[in-house]
Amino acid sequence: AQSVAQPEDQVNVAEGNPLTVKCTYSVSGNPYLFWYVQYPNRGLQFLLKYITGDNLVKGSYGFEAEFNKSQTSFHLKKPSALVSDSALYFCAVRDLTSGTYKYIFGTGTRLKVLA
Amino acid sequence: SAVISQKPSRDICQRGTSLTIQCQVDSQVTMMFWYRQQPGQSLTLIATANQGSEATYESGFVIDKFPISRPNLTFSTLTVSNMSPEDSSIYLCSVAEGGTGGAKNIQYFGAGTRLSVL
Repeated sequence: AQSVAQPEDQVNVAEGNPLTVKCTYSVSGNPYLFWYVQYPNRGLQFLLKYITGDNLVKGSYGFEAEFNKSQTSFHLKKPSALVSDSALYFCAVRDLTSGTYKYIFGTGTRLKVLA
Repeated sequence: SAVISQKPSRDICQRGTSLTIQCQVDSQVTMMFWYRQQPGQSLTLIATANQGSEATYESGFVIDKFPISRPNLTFSTLTVSNMSPEDSSIYLCSVAEGGTGGAKNIQYFGAGTRLSVL
């Protein structure tokens, strides 16, 4: 079965420090991986995706993610956190076994950036 | 990226009534998806809506409770029928970029409908 795990419910980081939000996956075949962010009272916003190619993927708002096949991980990173990055972050994998290629979402990680 | 308009943005409804949520996209898309999200929690897929065919429902969701219409490639509705307080949630529609719904396509989301059932 295809799945993703976000092991941390919440991550706290001081403004200006680097941040990491963790995601691990379990798929059969090549993974198609995505990160989304959700601000309060808003829908999900796409940040970045990994399909093939470079293991380091750059996305919106200065975020990047590192694909690690041996560790089956796709951690989201940012070199210097902003208070405005505080939000709910979701990792997702495409379910290639379904005819609709639906997403399977992680449980979400709440990021809190402290001033 | 696709721009998705979802209406209403929020509503408060009485037990036993129904609410229809509309999702309008600014471009033609093959697949639209409807999700439910408890505040601060993950998303659960309700169904996938293809134009011209019956929606495909996920386990635990049935057409009688969540009927979906998809009359054309830019519009869909989700109805939450015979509501109970357990239906209080955020309902989101999304579409796959590119129109084909392929595995590499990004999904874009509407802002959601925040439903409270009394």
